[in-house]
Amino acid sequence: NAGVTQTPKFQVLKTGQSMTLQCAQDMNHNSMYWYRQDPGMGLRLIYYSASEGTTDKGEVPNGYNVSRLNKREFSLRLESAAPSQTSVYFCASSEEGQTYFGPGTRLTVT
Amino acid sequence: GNSVTQMEGPVTLSEEAFLTINCTYTATGYPSLFWYVQYPGEGLQLLLKATKADDKGSNKGFEATYRKETTSFHLEKGSVQVSDSAVYFCALRVGQGGKLIFGQGTELSVKP
Repeated sequence: NAGVTQTPKFQVLKTGQSMTLQCAQDMNHNSMYWYRQDPGMGLRLIYYSASEGTTDKGEVPNGYNVSRLNKREFSLRLESAAPSQTSVYFCASSEEGQTYFGPGTRLTVT
Repeated sequence: GNSVTQMEGPVTLSEEAFLTINCTYTATGYPSLFWYVQYPGEGLQLLLKATKADDKGSNKGFEATYRKETTSFHLEKGSVQVSDSAVYFCALRVGQGGKLIFGQGTELSVKP
């Protein structure tokens, strides 16, 4: 039982490049989330998916897109990376009020 | 709106010292309250939670009491260890959905 897994662990992009962050969970949870963590700001919600086939914007969605590929997988895409998107990205899933986080992806945009 | 405010860090303590990390919140409705811990290089782990007023959450020697009258959920531990060095996040959830609202985090460093 791996819980929530994320790939890659680290990534460096140049401004304007695109990439997709992958997330998968093996707990059969309906709800999944993408957060970003920045110094002094805690974690902020980017997008979430309450169930397979649905996605909704969170607090800071600009510059991102998401896909809920199936019940297990929820990906986050940066179409044109900007230095302001340098951050640590966490995927999470939840069921019955219990939230589990992945190990994070550290992204640097130069 | 809903928000969480934590005391600023970093907090540096000697081993066996008493720890308090303050957390206050603003929320519509009746939130559930959480403390998460993040060890260096890792994701967040749930430390403890409380779902209604006057509940006390506890785990690994840490405690926090849901105080509705002061809208607070302060984290305490009687005797910290070096292994408690981490970043601690206070968070709230309103309703049954899983969306969490986090405070800014407080870094704790415990010296031997």
